[in-house]
Amino acid sequence: AQSVSQHNHHVILSEAASLELGCNYSYGGTVNLFWYVQYPGQHLQLLLKYFSGDPLVKGIKGFEAEFIKSKFSFNLRKPSVQWSDTAEYFCAVKSSNSGNTPLVFGKGTRLSVIA
Amino acid sequence: SQTIHQWPATLVQPVGSPLSLECTVEGTSNPNLYWYRQAAGRGLQLLFYSVGIGQISSEVPQNLSASRPQDRQFILSSKKLLLSDSGFYLCAWRLGGGAFFGQGTRLTVV
Repeated sequence: AQSVSQHNHHVILSEAASLELGCNYSYGGTVNLFWYVQYPGQHLQLLLKYFSGDPLVKGIKGFEAEFIKSKFSFNLRKPSVQWSDTAEYFCAVKSSNSGNTPLVFGKGTRLSVIA
Repeated sequence: SQTIHQWPATLVQPVGSPLSLECTVEGTSNPNLYWYRQAAGRGLQLLFYSVGIGQISSEVPQNLSASRPQDRQFILSSKKLLLSDSGFYLCAWRLGGGAFFGQGTRLTVV
């Protein structure tokens, strides 16, 4: 069965600091990978996704993630965070072999950006 | 355009009472639909998914059930709520490889 591990439960950064949120998955086959964000009081939104091709994926709001197949990782990065990036971030994976399999989510990482 | 509706937004229910949360999607047919629960400190947990009318797959044994009476309707139910059922419930619809989420229902069992 697939599983997703997000290493940090809560990350606190100052504005302009660089961000890297870890995500590792366990699954032996081909996967699609996602990062979702949930801003306070809002619903989940897709930040970026990887299906195939260039393992460095650019998303919205300056976020990017790099798929490293040998490490089963899909870490999320942003060079300089802003206060508005305060949110909860979820990594998710699904098998790309079946159209019906659901997304499996990590437990989430709460990011607090302080002035 | 495709949209997903979930209601109610918040719900406070006593222990032992029944539950019915409804989710509907518009602008698509034969969607794959999902119910997730987001509990404090436990992230997003898949509860049920459905690939068609009357087809329900349960991911974890629990006090909840799901039904798909119509193509674009997905209902989460319980006959008797437990305190541990409190949480944030999300309905999701999958399009291609990604997913669209409803705004969620904050359920508090008291």
